[in-house]
Amino acid sequence: AQTVTQSQPEMSVQEAETVTLSCTYDTSESDYYLFWYKQPPSRQMILVIRQEAYKQQNATENRFSVNFQKAAKSFSLKISDSQLGDAAMYFCAYRSDFQGGSEKLVFGKGTKLTVNP
Amino acid sequence: KAGVTQTPRYLIKTRGQQVTLSCSPISGHRSVSWYQQTPGQGLQFLFEYFSETQRNKGNFPGRFSGRQFSNSRSEMNVSTLELGDSALYLCASSKDASYGNTIYFGEGSWLTVV
Repeated sequence: AQTVTQSQPEMSVQEAETVTLSCTYDTSESDYYLFWYKQPPSRQMILVIRQEAYKQQNATENRFSVNFQKAAKSFSLKISDSQLGDAAMYFCAYRSDFQGGSEKLVFGKGTKLTVNP
Repeated sequence: KAGVTQTPRYLIKTRGQQVTLSCSPISGHRSVSWYQQTPGQGLQFLFEYFSETQRNKGNFPGRFSGRQFSNSRSEMNVSTLELGDSALYLCASSKDASYGNTIYFGEGSWLTVV
């Protein structure tokens, strides 16, 4: 079974600075998707960025980018120019190509990000 | 376009009762999944449905069940509620669960069991 580990329960960053959230995972599969979701106080999970395992190029979405190291099974999220609105819980998630398509996500425990003004 | 809608948003039940939660996916989405979120266990997959068929099920007792209707709306039911069932229940939908489709989440239903 796949597992996802986020080793940083809490992180803080100054506004306008850069912060990196860590995530490692364990799988025996060769193709899969990795995601970072943001959960603000409203509790709605919002997709931040995703990466398909067979793509070597790291995904980027505006101020958010990932460092995907497939061999090391590492998938970190870098937030540049941090804004107060980035404060939230961040979850790393894994999705496999189970049965040709599945919505099942395996989540890490989350990292609470605080942005200080 | 409306997002994933979950009802009710908040509810309080007594131990031993049962509860039904509803989820309306984004229009055009045919795949729905459910997650339980608790402080201790985090986010755990309950089950998923596609075209009224359960495709996958998480490691939860039989008290947890679900179904999907022909209009893709889904319900989950928890019978004989226990205190430990207190949680945020999140519903998610995607177009057709194809590998690579984006999964969208609702705001969840907060269940408190007393």
